[in-house]
Amino acid sequence: DAGITQSPRYKITETGRQVTLMCHQTWSHSYMFWYRQDLGHGLRLIYYSAAADITDKGEVPDGYVVSRSKTENFPLTLESATRSQTSVYFCASSGETASGETQYFGPGTRLLVL
Amino acid sequence: QKEVEQNSGPLSVPEGAIASLNCTYSDRGSQSFFWYRQYSGKSPELIMFIYSNGDKEDGRFTAQLNKASQYVSLLIRDSQPSDSATYLCAVNLGSYIPTFGRGTSLIVHP
Repeated sequence: DAGITQSPRYKITETGRQVTLMCHQTWSHSYMFWYRQDLGHGLRLIYYSAAADITDKGEVPDGYVVSRSKTENFPLTLESATRSQTSVYFCASSGETASGETQYFGPGTRLLVL
Repeated sequence: QKEVEQNSGPLSVPEGAIASLNCTYSDRGSQSFFWYRQYSGKSPELIMFIYSNGDKEDGRFTAQLNKASQYVSLLIRDSQPSDSATYLCAVNLGSYIPTFGRGTSLIVHP
């Protein structure tokens, strides 16, 4: 299906475990983003990517790792999950459209770290 | 540091009224402005974008931009209960990296 998808949609894990959240888009958008959303903080940018093999830190990158070997995929890894990483994670993409900077968001992944 | 400020609300309006949502931004170099709507438990979705000073209308929605005063607003005419959501303002500096406000919660009551 066209669009942007995230998996898993829900995840429960334990402190110290490694977790990878997947993001896939079918538009061939150049830019992809990872946000976390917490009550009282709004959307906070974790990492973004301008193209395959180009990534950069956002506002809250500590504890997270990203990669982008293919344009369509942008996985986010929590190397050693902590309770403070319990959150809703949104992936987004943007690219060359009439409103080129518009962000298209995936459905989100709800992560609970016990 | 780039900042985008929104009143967290909630803003409560009766059905059929005009809802006015406001957003101020700190960086005078900001070039493009976006309003997203987010229903509870869902992801944000674009409502409108605006680049030039003045008003831009799309159905019941009007975005207003005043670069001199550094604010952008969203008016929702004939508000419906289905408009109840959180509205996020986003501002770009001409790059593809937006700065989001924390959002304003809107409640439209019958």
